[in-house]
Amino acid sequence: NAGVTQTPKFQVLKTGQSMTLQCAQDMNHNSMYWYRQDPGMGLRLIYYSASEGTTDKGEVPNGYNVSRLNKREFSLRLESAAPSQTSVYFCATWDLTYEQYFGPGTRLTVT
Amino acid sequence: LAKTTQPISMDSYEGQEVNITCSHNNIATNDYITWYQQFPSQGPRFIIQGYKTKVTNEVASLFIPADRKSSTLSLPRVSLSDTAVYYCLVGGPSGGYNKLIFGAGTRLAVHP
Repeated sequence: NAGVTQTPKFQVLKTGQSMTLQCAQDMNHNSMYWYRQDPGMGLRLIYYSASEGTTDKGEVPNGYNVSRLNKREFSLRLESAAPSQTSVYFCATWDLTYEQYFGPGTRLTVT
Repeated sequence: LAKTTQPISMDSYEGQEVNITCSHNNIATNDYITWYQQFPSQGPRFIIQGYKTKVTNEVASLFIPADRKSSTLSLPRVSLSDTAVYYCLVGGPSGGYNKLIFGAGTRLAVHP
């Protein structure tokens, strides 16, 4: 039971490059989330997916797209990376009860 | 959305009790109060959740007054390993999926 997994763990991009961050969960939860966390700051919600086939914007969606591929997987895509997107990205799931479960994070640097 | 306000940082010493208070003046009737802990380079992890009065688990206690406009996370006898950032969230199952929003958190430093 791996919980929430994220790939890659680290990534360095040049400005303008694109990439997709992958997230998978084996907890059978309906809702999944993408957050970013800048140094010394709290987490900010980028996008969330209440269930398979649905996605909605959070606080800071600009510059990102998401895909809820199936119940297990929720990916985050940066089409044209910018230095302002340098951050740590966390994926999370929620089973509508007590708690969210977070992945280990992806540390992204855009130069 | 219910906005939360917490102290930016706190310092304590090993063996002391630490109380972190969170203000949430516009909490909605159906909102729960949840606290998370985050260590460096890790995702947040759940500590405790409550709706009203007092909740206790093996890690912490959560005190919520009758008006629910604030809550206090109590960590008994902290150790160095409790040094982390603590987040207070207000929301819940009936509050909508986009209400799980984190504030800046409280950075707790425990000293020997």
